[in-house]
Amino acid sequence: NAGVTQTPKFRVLKTGQSMTLLCAQDMNHEYMYWYRQDPGMGLRLIHYSVGEGTTAKGEVPDGYNVSRLKKQNFLLGLESAAPSQTSVYFCASSSLRSRYTFGSGTRLTVV
Amino acid sequence: DAKTTQPNSMESNEEEPVHLPCNHSTISGTDYIHWYRQLPSQGPEYVIHGLTSNVNNRMASLAIAEDRKSSTLILHRATLRDAAVYYCIVKGDNAGNMLTFGGGTRLMVKP
Repeated sequence: NAGVTQTPKFRVLKTGQSMTLLCAQDMNHEYMYWYRQDPGMGLRLIHYSVGEGTTAKGEVPDGYNVSRLKKQNFLLGLESAAPSQTSVYFCASSSLRSRYTFGSGTRLTVV
Repeated sequence: DAKTTQPNSMESNEEEPVHLPCNHSTISGTDYIHWYRQLPSQGPEYVIHGLTSNVNNRMASLAIAEDRKSSTLILHRATLRDAAVYYCIVKGDNAGNMLTFGGGTRLMVKP
């Protein structure tokens, strides 16, 4: 019963570097989401996917790209990291009208 | 989705009941009320949700006002492990099945 697994758990990047965060779920959920959470704030939606091969923008999509080539995986990419992208990133998955299951988060620091 | 208003923080004594309020005066007839909580350094986890009637589960109870403009999450006996940020979210049938998080209520539990 792994649920939602995020990789890596921690990462430090230099400004301008790129990286990909991986989210994997084993619940056969159609919907997947990427959120970011800044200190003392609630979660803000970056991008989401309603099924394999589909992606859509959320509230704060700038500076990020996503891909959902397989139903169980949702990748979040940063092409050129900026200090403003220092945050904790959470992935979640759900079926239609069902509860969300969240991963444990990736703590990213951009220096 | 309707906007929600929650107190920024609340305090409770261990083993006493806790009532966490949420106002959602612009809720629509088909919107569900969801509660999630986020323990320190973890991703959010589902607590409970409801539409019109009061709901109970192992974690908590949800009391929904008759006019549905407010709701209360009830923890029957707070434990130290219940110290978390509690998010009240009103969710309609949007195409992305998205949850929009506000600031939530930080619950502190005193031994």
